Order: sequence, then C-alpha cells, then structure tokens
Amino acid sequence: SAVISQKPSRDICQRGTSLTIQCQVDSQVTMMFWYRQQPGQSLTLIATANQGSEATYESGFVIDKFPISRPNLTFSTLTVSNMSPEDSSIYLCSVSAGAKYNEQFFGPGTRLTVL
Amino acid sequence: AQKVTQAQTEISVVEKEDVTLDCVYETRDTTYYLFWYKQPPSGELVFLIRRNSFDEQNEISGRYSWNFQKSTSSFNFTITASQVVDSAVYFCALSEATGRRALTFGSGTRLQVQP
Repeated sequence: SAVISQKPSRDICQRGTSLTIQCQVDSQVTMMFWYRQQPGQSLTLIATANQGSEATYESGFVIDKFPISRPNLTFSTLTVSNMSPEDSSIYLCSVSAGAKYNEQFFGPGTRLTVL
Repeated sequence: AQKVTQAQTEISVVEKEDVTLDCVYETRDTTYYLFWYKQPPSGELVFLIRRNSFDEQNEISGRYSWNFQKSTSSFNFTITASQVVDSAVYFCALSEATGRRALTFGSGTRLQVQP
C-alpha cells in the first residue's frame, strides 16, 4: 500500500492569488494523479504528473492554470493559479501502486476556499 | 471513452434495511478494473473494493456485497442491515488495466441511513 500526505489540508485564499499544494508519498510510485472535486460533485481528473517531463492534462485543464511539478517518484505539487471562487474545491492527489499498479490510493485532500 | 453512471443521486433508508447502489459503466477495453469508494462527511476517500474485469464472481465482505455482471456492464453494491455509520457518498469508478490507470468516477450516490 501507499500512504499519501497532502499540505495544506485546507486554505482560504483571496481571488487572484495562487496556492501550491504538496503531495508526498511514502514509497516510490510511477503514476501520480491530481483530481478536483467541486462542491457536491464527483471527482474529475486534472492531470497525470509525470516524473521528469511535463504533466499530461485532461480536456478542460491547462498548464497555465494548474502547473504541476514532479521532481521525483515520491513528490508532486499542484498550483492553482490566479484563483477565482469557481476554483473552490477539494484537490486530491492519487497514486497507482501495487504489483500491477492497479491499486489506487488517495491522499486526504486539500480543501480550498476562494473568496 | 470510459463512462460510469450512478443513476441514484440520493437514497434514504431506515437503519437495518438493506440497500443496493447501482453502477453501470461503459468502456471499449477488454480488460479493466472497477472500484467502489466511500466518502464520509469528513471528506476522505475510503477504498472498498477493486474488481478485475475477468473475475465475475460476486464478493461479500461482512455486510457489504458486490454483484458484477459483465453482460449488463453493471457493478452493484449492496449493504445489508444498514447502519447510521454507513451514511456517506459512495462512488463507483473505472480504470483501464494498462497504461495510466487513472480513474473515471461516477457522479456518486448519497446514502442517508436514518436511526
């Protein structure tokens, strides 16, 4: 299994500012993902964080708005840039692990409120 | 493209009743994984089960049971003798068996168990 921690756990930010969320895994993993969960909604994949190369973004998400870093196999950051109230969500880090990478583990999430 | 449909938005039952949460999926892959997660009011995602598409045996874990029917592309979840602590949002999800293995989530079903 993989234990995932995220920082911060929650934050309240002002419109127009940026917030960087950190995700730390207790073991090396190949696949790391970032998801967004808007209030009362399901989880939507933002991007796959690739180690040593640019992240792969899903339709509707762009690098300028959600830059992602993946400097090694245990750590990633997601930045929410130029925030607006519509960015208020829970942001979750996830990894694929296990013998065949088919176990999916989630971090505790970062609850972001933008005023 | 993959798709997961949870047609039941919200279900309310009285404690000790049995309840079934429906999940229907669409995928072009011949091999894939299906998941159920629980999200209590605290917000964290709790892993419940992972099922390989080749394994159509039903599974029982305590009060929980899962019925996987490939012929109807369904992966339903039943809670027997529900308890107040079962109150949560339940998500069904689908991932490819190779490649990135990112999850596609259904919209979730909110279960309220009344005492």
